[in-house]
Amino acid sequence: DIQMTQSPSSLSASVGDRVTITCRASQGISNSLAWYQQKPGKAPKLLLYAASRLESGVPSRFSGSGSGTDYTLTISSLQPEDFASYYCQQSYSTLITFGQGTRLEIK
Amino acid sequence: QITLKESGPTLVKPTQTLTLTCTFSGFSLSTSGVGVGWIRQPPGKALEWLALIYWDDDKRYSPSLKSRLTITKDTSKNQVVLTMTNMDPVDTATYYCAHAETVAGTLSPFRYWGQGALVTVSS
Repeated sequence: DIQMTQSPSSLSASVGDRVTITCRASQGISNSLAWYQQKPGKAPKLLLYAASRLESGVPSRFSGSGSGTDYTLTISSLQPEDFASYYCQQSYSTLITFGQGTRLEIK
Repeated sequence: QITLKESGPTLVKPTQTLTLTCTFSGFSLSTSGVGVGWIRQPPGKALEWLALIYWDDDKRYSPSLKSRLTITKDTSKNQVVLTMTNMDPVDTATYYCAHAETVAGTLSPFRYWGQGALVTVSS
């Protein structure tokens, strides 16, 4: 199965900061990558899919990029509601795998 | 509008079998390309994909849990059932079901999720 290595595992930042989270696959996944945001006690929410496609209704400060094995999620200017956990997920293989998550905390 | 909801026991004893039901609306599991998956999340830990069943009854399981999992569907009831045998305290988690679909051979992300069901394994 494809392993997804996400970094950092936690991150402290301030409102207005630009932050980047990375996800590395153990093999090429042809942009079959999604990013989710999860707040405590809630189900994950889809932010981006196909590596860079913004889900409907998601603010444009969220963006994704990458190819092959390396992918990034960028939040251009952090807002108070963005402090949450973030997960990547590959669907290149029918054996789906998630990254270990990144907890984004307020500095 | 697509909705999903998990149901099942909140507490199971070690070695017992867990049976969870996902009841959904807004789509049909008889429609080509559609699937329903199960994902779990232990308290304070990461998401872990468990299983996925497709409209054509094709099934996929996490390799690490395959021997313990069975996923089935009841299209007439709009339900998907996940059973997990030999439960252990490490299986304590919130269990989610989610909608997926394949488009042009590519599996979509999980766009729609249930609210999750917390299952505690304890004697």
